Amino acid sequence: QVQLVQSGAEVRKPGASVNVSCKASGYTFTSHYMHWVRQAPGQGLEWMGLINPSGGSTTYAQKFQGRVTMTRDTSTSTVYMELKGLRSEDTAVYYCARTDYGGNSGFDYWGQGSLITVSS
Amino acid sequence: DIVMTQSPDSLAVSLGERAAINCKSSQSLLYSSKNMNYLAWYQQKPGQPPKLLIYWASTRESGVPDRFSGSGSGTDFTLTISSLQAEDVAIYFCQQYYTNTYTFGQGTRLEIK
Repeated sequence: QVQLVQSGAEVRKPGASVNVSCKASGYTFTSHYMHWVRQAPGQGLEWMGLINPSGGSTTYAQKFQGRVTMTRDTSTSTVYMELKGLRSEDTAVYYCARTDYGGNSGFDYWGQGSLITVSS
Repeated sequence: DIVMTQSPDSLAVSLGERAAINCKSSQSLLYSSKNMNYLAWYQQKPGQPPKLLIYWASTRESGVPDRFSGSGSGTDFTLTISSLQAEDVAIYFCQQYYTNTYTFGQGTRLEIK
């Protein structure tokens, strides 16, 4: 069965960076795009960007350009999301989620979420 | 970016009654050459990730009960729950995938009256 398993909760100080991982299993890793979506406490869903695991190409939401980097390791079927220059408003649950290849579908599988807390 | 606006923000419906949630996009989500609307609906319960209910505006994801249905085209869409069950209490989000800068509605909180 398809599973997306994310790394655990992290606490960071303002200005620091965080790296969240998402390990995929149960399907062909390079046949589906992977996305990152975040949700601040009590708030809605915000799409951050995507990575094509096949070639490694990325598309980022304009809001996060310059601060986010998404990478993948095909040998371990894992995608990574690094967010730099953290501020308090980056406190959120970060999810990885899968679409079809090309990104023209809903997000059919989601990771369990990783809570990132930014606090001095 | 395409702006997605849901209404109402919250809704209270009696068990067994019909619930309807609306979603309006700032531009058409209909890809005319395929005659498909690039819109999905999700259900999110506390402490859980969102769950895909509906894609292509009206296609139910495998395993989703048939009391959930999606309708609409272009810029106006509706998620309908035909007979509300206790387990349907959740927040519901619409989402467009017409462009590769995906956007979500703000969410609608559904409760039991």
